[in-house]
This record gives sequence, C-alpha cells and structure tokens, in this order.
Amino acid sequence: GAVVSQHPSRVICKSGTSVKIECRSLDFQATTMFWYRQFPKKSLMLMATSNEGSKATYEQGVEKDKFLINHASLTLSTLTVTSAHPEDSSFYICSANYAGGGYGYTFGSGTRLTVV
Amino acid sequence: SQELEQSPQSLIVQEGKNLTINCTSSKTLYGLYWYKQKYGEGLIFLMMLQKGGEEKSHEKITAKLDEKKQQSSLHITASQPSHAGIYLCGADNSGNTPLVFGKGTRLSVIA
Repeated sequence: GAVVSQHPSRVICKSGTSVKIECRSLDFQATTMFWYRQFPKKSLMLMATSNEGSKATYEQGVEKDKFLINHASLTLSTLTVTSAHPEDSSFYICSANYAGGGYGYTFGSGTRLTVV
Repeated sequence: SQELEQSPQSLIVQEGKNLTINCTSSKTLYGLYWYKQKYGEGLIFLMMLQKGGEEKSHEKITAKLDEKKQQSSLHITASQPSHAGIYLCGADNSGNTPLVFGKGTRLSVIA
C-alpha cells in the first residue's frame, strides 16, 4: 500500500531557530502533498498545498514566510518552520493523494514540534 | 466553503457495547474518508466511501454513506478498548483537493 514517511517524529528547538520537517512518499509519486497542523484536542487544520516544481498554495492566515514549503521532487516535500516561537509548538502532519489504490489520502505519522 | 459536522464530540462506552459516530457535510461529497488517530500520532486509514448508499465493513467497523452523499455514519459493534481513540471524517470535494476534516470524536471504551 501507499506509505508516506515523515521525519522527525519529535523535535525540540530553541526560540529563533528553524526546523525542517520532511515528508516522503515511499512507493509512489506525489505531485501534490498537503500540510496540516493540529492543536491539542483539535482537528487537523490545512496549512498549505505543496506542488512539485512550483510554489505552494497557502491557506488564509498561514504565513508563507514563516512556514516555508519546498517540493523539489515527486517524492519529497519539506516544511521549514523559520524563526520558531513557542506558539509554533504543535503537531504537524503531511498527506499525499495516492490514486492507485483504495487508500486515497495517505498520511505521515506526524511531527511534534516543541519550541522552548 | 466545505464544512463537516461530526457528532458526538466525545463518547464513553462500556466494552462490548455498540456505538455510532455521524458526519454531516454542508455539500455533496466526491468522497468521504474515515480515519482513526491516537493523540499525537498519525492517522490510520479506516475506510473510503464514494458512491451514494455505499457501505463498507472492516472487522467490527462499518461505515455508510447516504444516497445524497452528504451524510456518513461509522458504526462499531461490540466495542473493545483497542477501539479507543479519535475518529475523524474527512471530506474529499474533487479527488485531488486536500481533505477537509470534521472536529473529531473522542472515543473511550471502559471495561
């Protein structure tokens, strides 16, 4: 089945530093990937749509300069949280649409970011 | 914009009891996805429904999509502690747009 690998699963960083989160489609090509953020006890909020070879599309209210997305290949999308602050602490999760089977949208295992 | 209403928000059931979670869309759906999530972990795919009136089952979980493709239900038979978690429904509007999620249902199963 379609697998999306997300790394790291947990990261703690200091305020002001940047953190990169990777999302890889392991056995299929994903021209489009989606990045979500989840606050404690809340549902998933779409942040942006990552498009291979072009600029990402950000949802309203999401700062594109804060959350840099790069989709340089058909199997890898990265989300970089720049100049992280404690309010950026959250659970980030990526997704890719696998059209080749019954799984449809496959999700990574998520990254818990804690900014101290 | 697409809105998904999920109910109940939380549910506590005794082990062995049946339960149902509902998901209602403000628009006709292209597809409806059900996922399970343990807090702070990734989403586990349960089922995908695309046809009006469709029903799918996996082990003790059954999901249905109504004929109008605006409402879905997830039914768990003879619940077990392993069923505990957060259940999320996700709306697919066109086949390649990002899923829009309901707020989730937190299920606890007590012995």
